[in-house]
Amino acid sequence: DSGVTQTPKHLITATGQRVTLRCSPRSGDLSVYWYQQSLDQGLQFLIQYYNGEERAKGNILERFSAQQFPDLHSELNLSSLELGDSALYFCASSSGGVNTGELFFGEGSRLTVL
Amino acid sequence: AQTVTQSQPEMSVQEAETVTLSCTYDTSENNYYLFWYKQPPSRQMILVIRQEAYKQQNATENRFSVNFQKAAKSFSLKISDSQLGDTAMYFCAFMKLYNNDMRFGAGTRLTVKP
Repeated sequence: DSGVTQTPKHLITATGQRVTLRCSPRSGDLSVYWYQQSLDQGLQFLIQYYNGEERAKGNILERFSAQQFPDLHSELNLSSLELGDSALYFCASSSGGVNTGELFFGEGSRLTVL
Repeated sequence: AQTVTQSQPEMSVQEAETVTLSCTYDTSENNYYLFWYKQPPSRQMILVIRQEAYKQQNATENRFSVNFQKAAKSFSLKISDSQLGDTAMYFCAFMKLYNNDMRFGAGTRLTVKP
């Protein structure tokens, strides 16, 4: 158990809809990272927050947004969903603001867009 | 742009044998990190081993070791005395120093057979 909690574990929705994925980092960790893993692909970095502020941005679509709240949990909002957004979305946390690779990953949220 | 290539989509090994997973990467950077992550059926990403590019000595973690060839931009993972619990997807990843955007390869599915 990494200590990172993601909800929901599974989500099925229709094209055009909006969903919110939630992540609670490991106790004491200030950074939260979001990754997208499409079928049989490696992980794609989306965005990182550190202590409530956006720290780094990767290949995140404009239809997607994220935020980190004062209690350090984070939410990833996906809107105007398309079939291609079906993927496993991972949250990871670390203690510092600089990624040294020692990330603790949650079990992911599997999103299916029909 | 940095790319990470894992040329072996699937591999298998007998229990107690040794297996080597390949990874090559492309970068113009001189300082960076390389990683191997394991993703078992539970889907959780687990850091297996990390290598700093400025270190010439190959990293080792128990039964896991790497062969880092900086000039050749190669970073292979050797698993000795393979165990059934090593069955998983293995991802090679690259990250520039002080940059939080970690780039992953497409993964190698390893099956350890009894």
